[in-house]
Amino acid sequence: DTAVSQTPKYLVTQMGNDKSIKCEQNLGHDTMYWYKQDSKKFLKIMFSYNNKELIINETVPNRFSPKSPDKAHLNLHINSLELGDSAVYFCASSNLGELFFGEGSRLTVL
Amino acid sequence: QQQVKQSPQSLIVQKGGISIINCAYENTAFDYFPWYQQFPGKGPALLIAIRPDVSEKKEGRFTISFNKSAKQFSLHIMDSQPGDSATYFCAASYDFNKFYFGSGTKLNVKP
Repeated sequence: DTAVSQTPKYLVTQMGNDKSIKCEQNLGHDTMYWYKQDSKKFLKIMFSYNNKELIINETVPNRFSPKSPDKAHLNLHINSLELGDSAVYFCASSNLGELFFGEGSRLTVL
Repeated sequence: QQQVKQSPQSLIVQKGGISIINCAYENTAFDYFPWYQQFPGKGPALLIAIRPDVSEKKEGRFTISFNKSAKQFSLHIMDSQPGDSATYFCAASYDFNKFYFGSGTKLNVKP
């Protein structure tokens, strides 16, 4: 039973399109995150939610909008996709300490 | 500005050797220093972590050495195995809310 699952695993789309990535965790954690991993493997935090409330919002373009319908779910919607958005997006959850990551969603913008 | 600096970017070690990866930080408010291991196509997974009140933590073949005054910490992998080949990330956090990751080290252990 996967602890943090995200869908889809792969996304290939054209510039200007809108896309969403979904994330669910079954660990009962209060905090969920979105991280972006670029082509050089650098992991950068984008957003963090604690019990459905946004607590961290890094300098991310407002084309990126997270939504947390409940504390087990954190979705990421991206509008007007650009070439530079191509990356692997990781969802993670934690409860005071260890981060549990999903397997990532590889987004390719053509 | 990168909060956690990691080196080297890549590392090749012979099977049975010692792999050493170094990290440095500036923010003295950090109070939790984990290391994550990432295999291709997978998300990072916690390997070992340390709090700044101890100078060393060992779990099996993996050891973190922590130098609070120098604001540096390192991961030592003893008796490195080909199965250890992965990308390793150091990280730092305060209040367990925000984790700052190093840039990663790609380790290749040659048989």
